[in-house]
Amino acid sequence: EMVMTQSPATLSVSPGERVTLSCRASQSISSNLAWYQQKPDQAPRLLIYGASTRAPGIPARFSGSGSGTEFTLTISSLQSEDFAVYYCQQYNNWPSYSFGQGTKLEIK
Amino acid sequence: QVQLVQSGAEVKKPGASVKVSCKAFGYSFTDYYIHWVRQAPGQGLEWMGWINPSSGGTNSAQKFQGRVTMTRDTSINTAYMELSGLSPDDTAVYFCARLYGFNKNDEGFDIWGQGTVVTVS
Repeated sequence: EMVMTQSPATLSVSPGERVTLSCRASQSISSNLAWYQQKPDQAPRLLIYGASTRAPGIPARFSGSGSGTEFTLTISSLQSEDFAVYYCQQYNNWPSYSFGQGTKLEIK
Repeated sequence: QVQLVQSGAEVKKPGASVKVSCKAFGYSFTDYYIHWVRQAPGQGLEWMGWINPSSGGTNSAQKFQGRVTMTRDTSINTAYMELSGLSPDDTAVYFCARLYGFNKNDEGFDIWGQGTVVTVS
């Protein structure tokens, strides 16, 4: 079973700061990784696919990197609307998929 | 407008079954897999399984095998997820999502339903 582990569970940051979220896969998943943002009482929103490609309409302050087992999502300058929970998700292990447990960005 | 619209909230007794629908608008329903994801209160996202609307083929997470049934009705562009043997641990928001293939290798859940609250009590 492919296990995705995100760290940290919660991150307290100030608006304008640069932040990096981590995601680790239990086995190599090449670049078959997506990132999602979820705000309270909303469905998730796709941010990044292929580990580093922004989905249509996603601001340039969001960037993804990594391959194999280690991945990061970076937000270059946090805006108020970016405080949310972020999930990584692998699609390498077809026909099965899996999410990380999420990282919550909260205002410091 | 491309969207997925899910059925309304459900309250079920332990041991019962629930069937959630997910109707597609604005795109060719049979061209994209539909996945099901759930989220227990205050918890993260949990992938449940998928259905290929074109063939009807399905696959589910091992945790749900034997308890989840995914079907579709192409005449009304609707996918269904039925979960049986409910327990209070199945209390969650259930989402459907469209899997979009950006290229040969890359994909993502680009369109999500609004979520269906299922309460087991």
